[in-house]
Amino acid sequence: AQTVTQSQPEMSVQEAETVTLSCTYDTSESNYYLFWYKQPPSRQMILVIRQEAYKQQNATENRFSVNFQKAAKSFSLKISDSQLGDTAMYFCAFMNPQGAQKLVFGQGTRLTINP
Amino acid sequence: DAGVIQSPRHEVTEMGQEVTLRCKPISGHNSLFWYRQTMMRGLELLIYFNNNVPIDDSGMPEDRFSAKMPNASFSTLKIQPSEPRDSAVYFCASSLSGAGTEAFFGQGTRLTVV
Repeated sequence: AQTVTQSQPEMSVQEAETVTLSCTYDTSESNYYLFWYKQPPSRQMILVIRQEAYKQQNATENRFSVNFQKAAKSFSLKISDSQLGDTAMYFCAFMNPQGAQKLVFGQGTRLTINP
Repeated sequence: DAGVIQSPRHEVTEMGQEVTLRCKPISGHNSLFWYRQTMMRGLELLIYFNNNVPIDDSGMPEDRFSAKMPNASFSTLKIQPSEPRDSAVYFCASSLSGAGTEAFFGQGTRLTVV
């Protein structure tokens, strides 16, 4: 079974700084998908960014980018020019495209952006 | 589209009562998921439907839990009888079938069993 580990329960940075959230996973599959979801205080889970394992190029979405290291099974999220609205729980998730499309989530990292 | 709609937003019930959570997926999506979020266990998949058919219910904790999807636009998750340890936030999500497609989540139902 796949597992996802986020080793940073909480992080805090100042507005406009860059912050990196860590995620590692364990799988024997060669093709899969990785996601970062954001859960603000409103509680709704929002997709931040997605990476396909067979693509070597790291995904980017505006201020959000990932560092995908397939051999190391590492998938970190970098937030540049952080904003107060980035304050949220961030979850790393794994999807094995074979069979059910279920997401396996990490424990989450609570990120606080301070003014 | 209004997104995935869940009701109620909050539910407080007494132990032993039946609880029904409701979900309306995004129109056109043919995959539907029920997740549960707790402090102890994090986010975990309870059940997954594809084209209204349950595909994977291995995450359903016990027989007290049941889920149905009578049509493409409605699903329910029922707990009978409810217990305090069922207290959690329950999320419904929907997506298009296909590898790596984005799952869109509802705002969740916070269930408290006293």
